[in-house]
Amino acid sequence: SQQGEEDPQALSIQEGENATMNCSYKTSINNLQWYRQNSGRGLVHLILIRSNEREKHSGRLRVTLDTSKKSSSLLITASRAADTASYFCATDLVYNDMRFGAGTRLTVKP
Amino acid sequence: DTAVSQTPKYLVTQMGNDKSIKCEQNLGHDTMYWYKQDSKKFLKIMFSYNNKELIINETVPNRFSPKSPDKAHLNLHINSLELGDSAVYFCASSQVRGRRYYEQYFGPGTRLTVT
Repeated sequence: SQQGEEDPQALSIQEGENATMNCSYKTSINNLQWYRQNSGRGLVHLILIRSNEREKHSGRLRVTLDTSKKSSSLLITASRAADTASYFCATDLVYNDMRFGAGTRLTVKP
Repeated sequence: DTAVSQTPKYLVTQMGNDKSIKCEQNLGHDTMYWYKQDSKKFLKIMFSYNNKELIINETVPNRFSPKSPDKAHLNLHINSLELGDSAVYFCASSQVRGRRYYEQYFGPGTRLTVT
């Protein structure tokens, strides 16, 4: 069964704007990861945040985790056309069992 | 060098056939996975292998069987293919130390079309 659910399903913004995607999950987790998938390609790992962390940064990416609300957000600042892709959150339930959501499709217009 | 490679990239076959998809990783990882991504982009884990031992086996039909000849390879065999098996199949690998997780590296995917 799916664990993470991304919101919104689709997001369209102009280049230079910030993009925020949310992920909600149902059960306790060890960590949460965000991945990007360009059309027709495999997933690429972006960032991992552990259950005892609340915020993490990587370049233009900022991820927050609220375990009390069972939710996470991914913020991409100063978006570029190359950021156009689908973004997935993935949570682990038990040993090495990762569950992905259906993704948010981000379109950045030049 | 490609970290995780899959062959073939595209596979078109008829119902009832048996087919295999190969996966190799050159990252020295100890765990490999197979995922199925359907037309709605849901990504579902099918199997994972750690040190040649199956540690997750999702409720997939037993027509699907993973085969790991060594730590660097995890092949997916599918018997008696059905229309519903049409999807993109991704192989991935990661290094798992104890119970600490690290990121997974994905292959480019194999688009399977069953006619």
